[in-house]
Amino acid sequence: ETGVTQTPRHLVMGMTNKKSLKCEQHLGHNAMYWYKQSAKKPLELMFVYSLEERVENNSVPSRFSPECPNSSHLFLHLHTLQPEDSALYLCASSQDLGVTADTQYFGPGTRLTVL
Amino acid sequence: DQQVKQNSPSLSVQEGRISILNCDYTNSMFDYFLWYKKYPAEGPTFLISISSIKDKNEDGRFTVFLNKSAKHLSLHIVPSQPGDSAVYFCAASGGSGGSNYKLTFGKGTLLTVNP
Repeated sequence: ETGVTQTPRHLVMGMTNKKSLKCEQHLGHNAMYWYKQSAKKPLELMFVYSLEERVENNSVPSRFSPECPNSSHLFLHLHTLQPEDSALYLCASSQDLGVTADTQYFGPGTRLTVL
Repeated sequence: DQQVKQNSPSLSVQEGRISILNCDYTNSMFDYFLWYKKYPAEGPTFLISISSIKDKNEDGRFTVFLNKSAKHLSLHIVPSQPGDSAVYFCAASGGSGGSNYKLTFGKGTLLTVNP
């Protein structure tokens, strides 16, 4: 595997379910990101991790819980979601959080539907 | 309020002609701008970037122009090829607080290049 991978690619869940999204990067990067893309809206940054430390929590509801066990893996744990949380969730990585914006490499995304 | 705007949701051009995708921004603190390209079922991929100290950056068929006074940038693709058909996202970084890793995205423009 190369680049940034995400599993699952598609997920349908009920509002009472608990599920997790997984992201893995094979680029040796130190920073990882979660983005949300809702229909007809721009990509919104949710969380940023640098060297496994969370450096950004962009006013995201607590029903979204990120976890970064090491610099290659990033999880987004989901519980008691709402239908409006249905969106494409994208993971990205970059070499570092540099002086200028390092190029971010994106995974293919997980299409989440909350019923 | 959207800080990065791509006012054309779609653009259709003939193969071999020039494609011009436009982007406007409102935050005068932005100092680095990027274009990403996204095919269906894939994540966005980095295409080209420009720093605010420049007004033009060229990479093969792709050129980005920056007009700081107008807070406007554009991506020129010439000649356009059918494989260029994708959604193009404009992004900016460098807003207040110095968090240069925070990218603010536009909603994207769907480019269709007809053979």
